[in-house]
Amino acid sequence: SQTIHQWPATLVQPVGSPLSLECTVEGTSNPNLYWYRQAAGRGLQLLFYSVGIGQISSEVPQNLSASRPQDRQFILSSKKLLLSDSGFYLCAWSPLGGVADTQYFGPGTRLTVL
Amino acid sequence: GQQVMQIPQYQHVQEGEDFTTYCNSSTTLSNIQWYKQRPGGHPVFLIQLVKSGEVKKQKRLTFQFGEAKKNSSLHITATQTTDVGTYFCAGQEYGNKLVFGAGTILRVKS
Repeated sequence: SQTIHQWPATLVQPVGSPLSLECTVEGTSNPNLYWYRQAAGRGLQLLFYSVGIGQISSEVPQNLSASRPQDRQFILSSKKLLLSDSGFYLCAWSPLGGVADTQYFGPGTRLTVL
Repeated sequence: GQQVMQIPQYQHVQEGEDFTTYCNSSTTLSNIQWYKQRPGGHPVFLIQLVKSGEVKKQKRLTFQFGEAKKNSSLHITATQTTDVGTYFCAGQEYGNKLVFGAGTILRVKS
């Protein structure tokens, strides 16, 4: 069966510090991968998605970036965090070539920028 | 671009009351999906609707897809405290990415 992992689970970082969040998927090949951010009590904001290694599409211009160095690894980064980067970061995967883009979410990382 | 609107934003019901959340798309959809996010948790896929006018049931949950494939609803009969959370609809146009609605937060008072 497929599983998706995210780490760390929680993170407190000072403004201006760098960020690296990691997501890995097991049990499937060539998944579509997504990064979402969710502010407290709010909806899901799609940040990046990837259909293959090295292929990243950005949905919202900001100080975040994403990379996919391996088929089942998706990394979210920032060189300098802003207060507004605080939130719940969710990674998700969906099967490549599926009729419907059903997405399966990881447990998330709660980021607080102080 | 495609937009998915979901109402209400928030609903607080007494345990045993019914609950409905509605989802409307600006464009015709190939399918619509529903997800549930428990407080402190991550969204979990509930169901997918594909056919015009489709109705699916999961125990006390009833999901409908409109005839024009532009709107959907989720109805919960006799809510329980285990139903609390945020319910998201997500619509997909043919060949495009899934777009999530803003979600409806459900609180159940016992």
